[in-house]
Amino acid sequence: TQLLEQSPQFLSIQEGENLTVYCNSSSVFSSLQWYRQEPGEGPVLLVTVVTGGEVKKLKRLTFQFGDARKDSSLHITAAQPGDTGLYLCAGDGTGGFKTIFGAGTRLFVKA
Amino acid sequence: KAGVTQTPRYLIKTRGQQVTLSCSPISGHRSVSWYQQTPGQGLQFLFEYFSETQRNKGNFPGRFSGRQFSNSRSEMNVSTLELGDSALYLCASSLAPNYEQYFGPGTRLTVT
Repeated sequence: TQLLEQSPQFLSIQEGENLTVYCNSSSVFSSLQWYRQEPGEGPVLLVTVVTGGEVKKLKRLTFQFGDARKDSSLHITAAQPGDTGLYLCAGDGTGGFKTIFGAGTRLFVKA
Repeated sequence: KAGVTQTPRYLIKTRGQQVTLSCSPISGHRSVSWYQQTPGQGLQFLFEYFSETQRNKGNFPGRFSGRQFSNSRSEMNVSTLELGDSALYLCASSLAPNYEQYFGPGTRLTVT
């Protein structure tokens, strides 16, 4: 069974701090997606990483896909209260199209 | 371009009843997937539809069913509701299978 494990589960930091969240698996994924979800809303797609070793930047967010395509990380520089939310990683499972989600990292940035 | 819309946004039902949730995908998107999100289990895949055909189904009992119409709109139905069915039900649309998914705001179902 394919699983995506995210760590940490919860993170509370001060505005301006840097942070990294991780998404790990023992399985290879053809691609991984990162989403952010705010309370009462659906997840919003941030990025898709496809190539092993790939690094993508979205303003203060940096996403990396592991060389072996089994893990990914999200680094946020100078976090702001607007970054508060649930960060989810997701990957395409085997046996046809079936997206698997990690349990998420709940981030709270204090002003 | 309008995003994914889901109706209703909130719903309260009693155990044993059935419920139908609706999802309208982004214009031009032909693939619709449904997910259940709970605090304990996180986001779990229910099923995926493309061109009115179910392509994949997650590990949920037969009480959960769905369908897709020729205009790509989709509905999911849950019969004989149980307390454990209380969850946020999310719909996601994509151009086609294996393309990036865009989520709607969800339907919050509470079963009492």
